[in-house]
Amino acid sequence: RKEVEQDPGPFNVPEGATVAFNCTYSNSASQSFFWYRQDCRKEPKLLMSVYSSGNEDGRFTAQLNRASQYISLLIRDSKLSDSATYLCVVNIRGSGDKLTFGTGTRLAVRP
Amino acid sequence: DTAVSQTPKYLVTQMGNDKSIKCEQNLGHDTMYWYKQDSKKFLKIMFSYNNKELIINETVPNRFSPKSPDKAHLNLHINSLELGDSAVYFCASSQPGRQETQYFGPGTRLLVL
Repeated sequence: RKEVEQDPGPFNVPEGATVAFNCTYSNSASQSFFWYRQDCRKEPKLLMSVYSSGNEDGRFTAQLNRASQYISLLIRDSKLSDSATYLCVVNIRGSGDKLTFGTGTRLAVRP
Repeated sequence: DTAVSQTPKYLVTQMGNDKSIKCEQNLGHDTMYWYKQDSKKFLKIMFSYNNKELIINETVPNRFSPKSPDKAHLNLHINSLELGDSAVYFCASSQPGRQETQYFGPGTRLLVL
């Protein structure tokens, strides 16, 4: 079983739609959680950290459910520029600075 | 002003050759990483160095040898290249304890023929 699992998609949505991605992690020692974004043929970049209480950054909302070991990302009012692959990332306690990446969920926003 | 740079961007080579990829960061970070992203887009850490000292070494074949001449540079040398080594290799850097904010280089696309 992969340590971090995501639906690969693609999610095809119209502009203005709300879309949600889920991610599950298998290691209960996972302590820190993040969403990264990777554009086609580009490097990954940090989108946002995910806090236990949930957090919002503009149109993006991240939630963490430790009991069920899943993380979500909600994007409201999708823009064409949101088209990318969204990577769910965890840091496991005791692993130092090592980040474990999911394979990503691809989002395609159409006009 | 590039924060994390890698050279070359593209590398096409024959099986059995030896090649190197260079990485430099000008962010003043102490920690640097090498990742491999395969054709299925799975991004997996290979190595991590903190201030020139190896701290993470995943189960990578010993044909792969990282070298850190100083904390701003982390190079990757690959011996006896195999078809399965074809992938995108990303270098990244961060400050210790701030692993969430890893800054990635643009990647080196390696194709082994």
